[in-house]
Amino acid sequence: ILNVEQSPQSLHVQEGDSTNFTCSFPSSNFYALHWYRWETAKSPEALFVMTLNGDEKKKGRISATLNTKEGYSYLYIKGSQPEDSATYLCAFPPNSGGSNYKLTFGKGTLLTVNP
Amino acid sequence: KAGVTQTPRYLIKTRGQQVTLSCSPISGHRSVSWYQQTPGQGLQFLFEYFSETQRNKGNFPGRFSGRQFSNSRSEMNVSTLELGDSALYLCASSLRYRAGGPPYNEQFFGPGTRLTVL
Repeated sequence: ILNVEQSPQSLHVQEGDSTNFTCSFPSSNFYALHWYRWETAKSPEALFVMTLNGDEKKKGRISATLNTKEGYSYLYIKGSQPEDSATYLCAFPPNSGGSNYKLTFGKGTLLTVNP
Repeated sequence: KAGVTQTPRYLIKTRGQQVTLSCSPISGHRSVSWYQQTPGQGLQFLFEYFSETQRNKGNFPGRFSGRQFSNSRSEMNVSTLELGDSALYLCASSLRYRAGGPPYNEQFFGPGTRLTVL
């Protein structure tokens, strides 16, 4: 059984704080790691797809890093704003990619940013 | 470009009934995946359809089935509903992996159908 673990489960920060959370995944047969952001009552929105060890991607105040050798990815939010409040999900394909591609999701980190 | 749409958005059924949920993918996307989310659980993969064929299947009982039409629209059916089937059902569409292309499928999600079984 493939385990994709996210920590912490939930996080409360004040507006302006920077924060980060972790996604752990099996380091063997790595193909890609997906990060999604899911606001309440909306659709999950793709943030990043990371494929290479050492990858670092950035989108505004949000960035992510990837370590495929040790099996983890960090998501960072700089200067959190109330609109960043959402559940952040990571997902990992357990198969060999190609035509047999499906995602296993972690349970997510629920971020609440207080004004 | 219109996003993924799902109908209905909310549904209430009773135990033993059956239900059909619909998903229309982004235009041009031929792969549709279905996921279930229950309280305390992450998104659980149900199945994926591509070109009207089921390509991948998760660990769900046979009461859960689906199909895909020639226009890539997909339906998911749950027969003999149980209380535990109450969940948010999401579908996601993607262009799907192509040989020589990137080794991943970026999936685009719909807003979900909230199913309540009483």
